[in-house]
Amino acid sequence: KQEVTQIPAALSVPEGENLVLNCSFTDSAIYNLQWFRQDPGKGLTSLLLIQSSQREQTSGRLNASLDKSSGRSTLYIAASQPGDSATYLCAAGTSGSRLTFGEGTQLTVNP
Amino acid sequence: GAVVSQHPSRVICKSGTSVKIECRSLDFQATTMFWYRQFPKKSLMLMATSNEGSKATYEQGVEKDKFLINHASLTLSTLTVTSAHPEDSSFYICSAQGGGKEKLFFGSGTQLSVL
Repeated sequence: KQEVTQIPAALSVPEGENLVLNCSFTDSAIYNLQWFRQDPGKGLTSLLLIQSSQREQTSGRLNASLDKSSGRSTLYIAASQPGDSATYLCAAGTSGSRLTFGEGTQLTVNP
Repeated sequence: GAVVSQHPSRVICKSGTSVKIECRSLDFQATTMFWYRQFPKKSLMLMATSNEGSKATYEQGVEKDKFLINHASLTLSTLTVTSAHPEDSSFYICSAQGGGKEKLFFGSGTQLSVL
């Protein structure tokens, strides 16, 4: 059974800092790895999707990497802004588009 | 980008009543929809997968008679929580896939509170 763990559970940084969020998964037989953003009481917004054959994906200030063999993914946020404050979830995708989610990292970027 | 609308965003009901939550794909045909449940500060737990025109596939431990899922059209799936009890209180989120897109698009969620 796939298990996804995210570290740290919460993170507070000053504006402008670069930061890294970590995600690990137990079963390396994944189709893809996705990162989502969730604002309080809201649904999920897809940030980046990395296929199992890829090593990384970039979108603006966000960069996500994937190392299947070690069961790890990282989300790098450059030059963080207060608007980046949210919970970030990673999810391991398997067959049939089923996703197994981590519990998320709650990020606070202080002005 | 693709849009998934979920309604209602918040519902409060009395114990024993049934509540229906709707999930609509607004600009694409969703061949598959997923229903998740999320407890505070916890991860999303997949409840069931529904394909248009067929019965939903429920995850282990999810009562199919308790959580009725209907995916009658390519743009609409509904989750009905029957005879709701306080322990059913949770945040429910749907997601949809289709239109040739691999990404999943999520609804905005429904906060259910059962008194």
